[in-house]
Amino acid sequence: NAGVTQTPKFRVLKTGQSMTLLCAQDMNHEYMYWYRQDPGMGLRLIHYSVGEGTTAKGEVPDGYNVSRLKKQNFLLGLESAAPSQTSVYFCASGNRRDYNEQFFGPGTRLTVL
Amino acid sequence: GEDVEQSLFLSVREGDSSVINCTYTDSSSTYLYWYKQEPGAGLQLLTYIFSNMDMKQDQRLTVLLNKKDKHLSLRIADTQTGDSAIYFCAEIEGAGSYQLTFGKGTKLSVIP
Repeated sequence: NAGVTQTPKFRVLKTGQSMTLLCAQDMNHEYMYWYRQDPGMGLRLIHYSVGEGTTAKGEVPDGYNVSRLKKQNFLLGLESAAPSQTSVYFCASGNRRDYNEQFFGPGTRLTVL
Repeated sequence: GEDVEQSLFLSVREGDSSVINCTYTDSSSTYLYWYKQEPGAGLQLLTYIFSNMDMKQDQRLTVLLNKKDKHLSLRIADTQTGDSAIYFCAEIEGAGSYQLTFGKGTKLSVIP
């Protein structure tokens, strides 16, 4: 099992460019999440999904869009990147059983110039 | 809204015990968690405690939960240099929620 994988690991964008971060999980989890981690801010939830074809907003959704067309994949899109979106992005997946543990990917470090 | 607070830094000597503290506000929390993040990596679940428990022990780890004061602590016995990491406290936002609320993380530095 690869667990939760994220692509790419690093990316540098210019302001206004767009990109998509890919998250994949092979644990057949129903729930998937996108977080951003900033120094001194902990993890903040951007968007999440409770099943294929469904998405919902988290704490900081502005400037991001997501899609969950397949159960194993959760995509995070930035349509017009801004320097404020410079961050480390983590994807996670989990199920309601098993004490709601969330399994995290290794992260994507994004810099917007 | 719900909030999880923890101190940002802790420094201990190798072999001593570490105690990381956390306070939370959601009285309907069902599970509380401690996640560990090593440098350059994602978070890994270290341990968790169900809200009807007061204490949970797992090898060198002891979790204490004081529901009245909404206080959670993680004690690491015989702290090793490999325990140096950021430790996040987290809670489920209510019994029917899918979302975790994380604290800002406590960076534990172990001095050899």
